[in-house]
Amino acid sequence: DTEVTQTPKHLVMGMTNKKSLKCEQHMGHRAMYWYKQKAKKPPELMFVYSYEKLSINESVPSRFSPECPNSSLLNLHLHALQPEDSALYLCASSQETGKGQPQHFGDGTRLSIL
Amino acid sequence: RKEVEQDPGPFNVPEGATVAFNCTYSNSASQSFFWYRQDCRKEPKLLMSVYSSGNEDGRFTAQLNRASQYISLLIRDSKLSDSATYLCVVNVFPGWGSGDKLTFGTGTRLAVRP
Repeated sequence: DTEVTQTPKHLVMGMTNKKSLKCEQHMGHRAMYWYKQKAKKPPELMFVYSYEKLSINESVPSRFSPECPNSSLLNLHLHALQPEDSALYLCASSQETGKGQPQHFGDGTRLSIL
Repeated sequence: RKEVEQDPGPFNVPEGATVAFNCTYSNSASQSFFWYRQDCRKEPKLLMSVYSSGNEDGRFTAQLNRASQYISLLIRDSKLSDSATYLCVVNVFPGWGSGDKLTFGTGTRLAVRP
């Protein structure tokens, strides 16, 4: 079982909906990440939070809005998404940044935009 | 040139075979290196970190050559359960106050047959 928990596992939404993806870890990790993975492609980094502060935004469109309420939680708020945003969204965490430590992934939210 | 390059495969091998995967990376500032495995429609799972001195974990041996910017993974005595996509992953730390940036290769698919 993964130690990074993501909810929901599956999400279908229309282009005008607002929804949120949630990620939780209780390993005491201080860095958390959002990735997007399309079919048959590797994960692509979207956002990095280090000590609850956004440290990297990989030029992600503003229809994706991350939030880190505390050191254990990471949200991704979705609004006015496009069909091409359909993908697997993966959350990951690591102990810290800058120490070369591996990241541990949740099992993802499979998102479909109608 | 892609930042992390891998042979996409597929590698189709019989049980018990030894198989080797190679990976090259272009960013000489890369600081840490990993192999992840990803099963179909699942999240990436850390297989092992990779060190310049080489490291072994059971049937798996990883090697890093920083001068050549080359990473390898050797799997001995392949099992059916080794069938998966193997992702070569490179970490660049942009600087203090920033976060770790993992870059994934496209993955090498391994199919182990009975």
